Amino acid sequence: GAGVSQSPSNKVTEKGKDVELRCDPISGHTALYWYRQRLGQGLEFLIYFQGNSAPDKSGLPSDRFSAERTGESVSTLTIQRTQQEDSAVYLCASSLRHPNTGELFFGEGSRLTVL
Amino acid sequence: GQQLNQSPQSMFIQEGEDVSMNCTSSSIFNTWLWYKQDPGEGPVLLIALYKAGELTSNGRLTAQFGITRKDSFLNISASIPSDVGIYFCAGQASGSRLTFGEGTQLTVNP
Repeated sequence: GAGVSQSPSNKVTEKGKDVELRCDPISGHTALYWYRQRLGQGLEFLIYFQGNSAPDKSGLPSDRFSAERTGESVSTLTIQRTQQEDSAVYLCASSLRHPNTGELFFGEGSRLTVL
Repeated sequence: GQQLNQSPQSMFIQEGEDVSMNCTSSSIFNTWLWYKQDPGEGPVLLIALYKAGELTSNGRLTAQFGITRKDSFLNISASIPSDVGIYFCAGQASGSRLTFGEGTQLTVNP
């Protein structure tokens, strides 16, 4: 597709369950980012991938959060043993190159609700 | 790490009014970006600035890269109802990842 694609768009889960969120970046974009946005809040950086380099995981809030990316394609963000505080919109973004332009293209997000 | 202060946090204006919002940083940035987020969507890039002092327009939007490289502002002229949304500034220092401001929630009353 032409843009960043995320799935699912909405996910409701019970506390303690694991969830997996998927991101398809724009073709050819080497950099991929995950952000968390709580209701009415700004963008909280989670993790960033650049090509085959080691990912920058400095924003992951706990060891329940992990992410993978295969080459320069799809990425999955996994949250284990979900908590109610994990409820948020999870946004994925990609860019053509990092770190020089900063022009991130965002997906529409995956809204996670933990009951 | 780098911190961005974006203000105001929210604005309530009448259709037709002009709007101004700004961001300040504790660090020098090489790039300033302004994004808009509509409800239920991801942020979309409005304007990108790459040089200190640069003034760039995109329709009714004008943004400037501060001469000190530590601030930027965004102006919206003659606001319309579809300008409603959250506006984010973002800055990037050389070799660092993008840092986002907390956002300005804009409400336009018809």
